[in-house]
Amino acid sequence: GAVVSQHPSWVICKSGTSVKIECRSLDFQATTMFWYRQFPKQSLMLMATSNEGSKATYEQGVEKDKFLINHASLTLSTLTVTSAHPEDSSFYICSAPLTSGMVGEQYFGPGTRLTVT
Amino acid sequence: QKEVEQNSGPLSVPEGAIASLNCTYSDRGSQSFFWYRQYSGKSPELIMSIYSNGDKEDGRFTAQLNKASQYVSLLIRDSQPSDSATYLCAVHNAGNMLTFGGGTRLMVKP
Repeated sequence: GAVVSQHPSWVICKSGTSVKIECRSLDFQATTMFWYRQFPKQSLMLMATSNEGSKATYEQGVEKDKFLINHASLTLSTLTVTSAHPEDSSFYICSAPLTSGMVGEQYFGPGTRLTVT
Repeated sequence: QKEVEQNSGPLSVPEGAIASLNCTYSDRGSQSFFWYRQYSGKSPELIMSIYSNGDKEDGRFTAQLNKASQYVSLLIRDSQPSDSATYLCAVHNAGNMLTFGGGTRLMVKP
């Protein structure tokens, strides 16, 4: 199966600092990647769709200036949480479909647990 | 009304029993349907996909789809404690977006 990696797997940062999370498709090219956030015992929430070579599409209510997404290549998308606050503490997960036409069959990265102190 | 609805559970079944997980969706134009499994503290993994009405079997898992009733289900036969997880129903709608339900937590007791 397709493999998606994320780095780091967990990170602790101080309030006001920025954190960058990387998402890589290891054995396939991903023109589209998705970023999700999941709070404890809550549902998966789509934050944004990352498109290689173009701007990301953000879901309603997600601040694009706070959550910067860059899809630098066909195998790498990054999410930067700027000026992090404790309420940004969450589990951030990226995913990618094996083929752009099969959005439903997504392969998820292992997730990044962010704690903002 | 949520686009994809699931009973949050927990659904508790004894080991060896059949677990039945249900999902309803609102967009009649949806064409493809998926079940993801998420263990606690981990990310989701795709376990089943179904595209046409009827049943689709894969090992101990059977996905069932009824587009007229806008209903998808997942049956897990011979449930094992290792099946204990949250199961997410996902629907690929006409807007080319994948929408997840809130998930049903399944507990299989030995």
